[in-house]
Amino acid sequence: DTAVSQTPKYLVTQMGNDKSIKCEQNLGHDTMYWYKQDSKKFLKIMFSYNNKELIINETVPNRFSPKSPDKAHLNLHINSLELGDSAVYFCASSPLVAGGPSYEQYFGPGTRLTVT
Amino acid sequence: GESVGLHLPTLSVQEGDNSIINCAYSNSASDYFIWYKQESGKGPQFIIDIRSNMDKRQGQRVTVLLNKTVKHLSLQIAATQPGDSAVYFCAPLDGNQFYFGTGTSLTVIP
Repeated sequence: DTAVSQTPKYLVTQMGNDKSIKCEQNLGHDTMYWYKQDSKKFLKIMFSYNNKELIINETVPNRFSPKSPDKAHLNLHINSLELGDSAVYFCASSPLVAGGPSYEQYFGPGTRLTVT
Repeated sequence: GESVGLHLPTLSVQEGDNSIINCAYSNSASDYFIWYKQESGKGPQFIIDIRSNMDKRQGQRVTVLLNKTVKHLSLQIAATQPGDSAVYFCAPLDGNQFYFGTGTSLTVIP
């Protein structure tokens, strides 16, 4: 069974459109993340949610809005897509241990977003 | 401040040789580090971690060395195999998040 899954795997869309990427984890983890990886493989955190509450919000345009309907899901909605949004987006999760989220994160397979 | 794992972008090694992947970090307050492996078309996968109170940690075929004085880590892979071809990230913990940076792309030559 897939631990962290993302849909869709590939997403091709035009500038100006609004799109969503979905993430689900079946590991029972409390903390979930969104990362962006550019064409040079630079991987950077965007958001982190702990039990449906936002705990990290890096400097990301407010066109990006994460939504966590429950602790197993963290979706990423992007408004008014721009060419520079083209990247691979990874969802990840980690369990809670004493003192906070575990440092080991489990990543999904990624969603390759191409904006034309 | 932000502490990004800085890598050389590429490394090629012969199958069977040992690989050494180096990483420098900028924030001397970083006290925990994780190495991740990212195979082509997949998400990163945890390999090994090390805390700042250690200077060496060993796993299966991998060893991580930490030199806090010069803010440098290395990941050593023994007897490199074709399946080791991937991008490797060292991710220092800074505050409550990890900074991955660009990684080093390891290519194993058969």
